[in-house]
Amino acid sequence: NAGVTQTPKFRVLKTGQSMTLLCAQDMNHEYMYWYRQDPGMGLRLIHYSVGEGTTAKGEVPDGYNVSRLKKQNFLLGLESAAPSQTSVYFCASSTRDRGNIQYFGAGTRLSVL
Amino acid sequence: AQSVAQPEDQVNVAEGNPLTVKCTYSVSGNPYLFWYVQYPNRGLQFLLKYITGDNLVKGSYGFEAEFNKSQTSFHLKKPSALVSDSALYFCAVSSPTGTASKLTFGTGTRLQVTL
Repeated sequence: NAGVTQTPKFRVLKTGQSMTLLCAQDMNHEYMYWYRQDPGMGLRLIHYSVGEGTTAKGEVPDGYNVSRLKKQNFLLGLESAAPSQTSVYFCASSTRDRGNIQYFGAGTRLSVL
Repeated sequence: AQSVAQPEDQVNVAEGNPLTVKCTYSVSGNPYLFWYVQYPNRGLQFLLKYITGDNLVKGSYGFEAEFNKSQTSFHLKKPSALVSDSALYFCAVSSPTGTASKLTFGTGTRLQVTL
């Protein structure tokens, strides 16, 4: 039972480059989330999705885009990376049937130079 | 807007002693409250939650939390700490309104348990 899988685990980008982070869950959860974790700031919600084909902005959405074409996948895109986007990114999923407990992936550590 | 405060950046406890990690919250209406733990280079793991009912909630690994509505607090406790409990602990709150459980996290408290 893989749960929530994030790829890649590490990435180094140059300013202005683009990339996509992939999140996959095998629990048939309807809700998925992208967070960023920065020292001393906890986790902040970037975007989330309540179902296939729907996405919504979270607390810190600027500079990011997302897509949820399939229920099990949630993609996070950076069109033009900036040093301020250096962070650890976490994906999570949840279902109302389990009291909306969120299950997290292992994270992607991104450095933008 | 909902918010969570974890007033202590770090809590130091000797193994075998009781531990408390503090959390206070602010939310409109009745809160859904959660505790998560994060070990180094890992994602967050769910420990316990409060939605309604008994104010004392029991969770994984011997942890429990006490909901206090008048003090808007949800402190995490364990009667006897283990070295293996050393990790980063996050309190989170969400509102029962809406379809997705949008969590607001505190800044985290690092628990250090020593022999």
